[in-house]
Amino acid sequence: SQELEQSPQSLIVQEGKNLTINCTSSKTLYGLYWYKQKYGEGLIFLMMLQKGGEEKSHEKITAKLDEKKQQSSLHITASQPSHAGIYLCGAGSSGGSNYKLTFGKGTLLTVNP
Amino acid sequence: DADVTQTPRNRITKTGKRIMLECSQTKGHDRMYWYRQDPGLGLRLIYYSFDVKDINKGEISDGYSVSRQAQAKFSLSLESAIPNQTALYFCATSDGGEQYFGPGTRLTVT
Repeated sequence: SQELEQSPQSLIVQEGKNLTINCTSSKTLYGLYWYKQKYGEGLIFLMMLQKGGEEKSHEKITAKLDEKKQQSSLHITASQPSHAGIYLCGAGSSGGSNYKLTFGKGTLLTVNP
Repeated sequence: DADVTQTPRNRITKTGKRIMLECSQTKGHDRMYWYRQDPGLGLRLIYYSFDVKDINKGEISDGYSVSRQAQAKFSLSLESAIPNQTALYFCATSDGGEQYFGPGTRLTVT
């Protein structure tokens, strides 16, 4: 079965700093989803990447997919306290179908004002 | 109004009790999912359903059962709750793309 490893497990940054979270898959990536979760709340969809080399941005968050490395990175520029939370990556199952997603264990981000 | 709702939001129950968690969605999606989230273990899939007549076990279905009463409703039951089922439970829906999650139900089994 596919496994997703996220690094780092937790991260503390000062407001205004940039940061990167990585998600590495044990198998070929057919679709990679990034979610954000506030503590004890539901997951909010951020973005989806499907093609190798694809890069998407939303406000100050950019995600990239490196198909060869079976890895995706999430980069936050000029972090703000509102960026704090748990970031999870999820990957679709083989064959291009994302009817089942496997999730990483998450990266806990703390942004100090 | 939220697209995916879960009831109850919090529940404390005793070992051996039967409990049902409910999920409703207004997105018109056919696919619905139940996950549990535990510290250090991430999100794990319990059951998923592609339509009213299609129910599938996920990776951790033992001790759980589900019912898909309608396209919009998918409930999760714990027939005889045990303490290691204490967790945060999420329902999600999808039309084949990204999954939309409910706010979660925090279940404590004492």
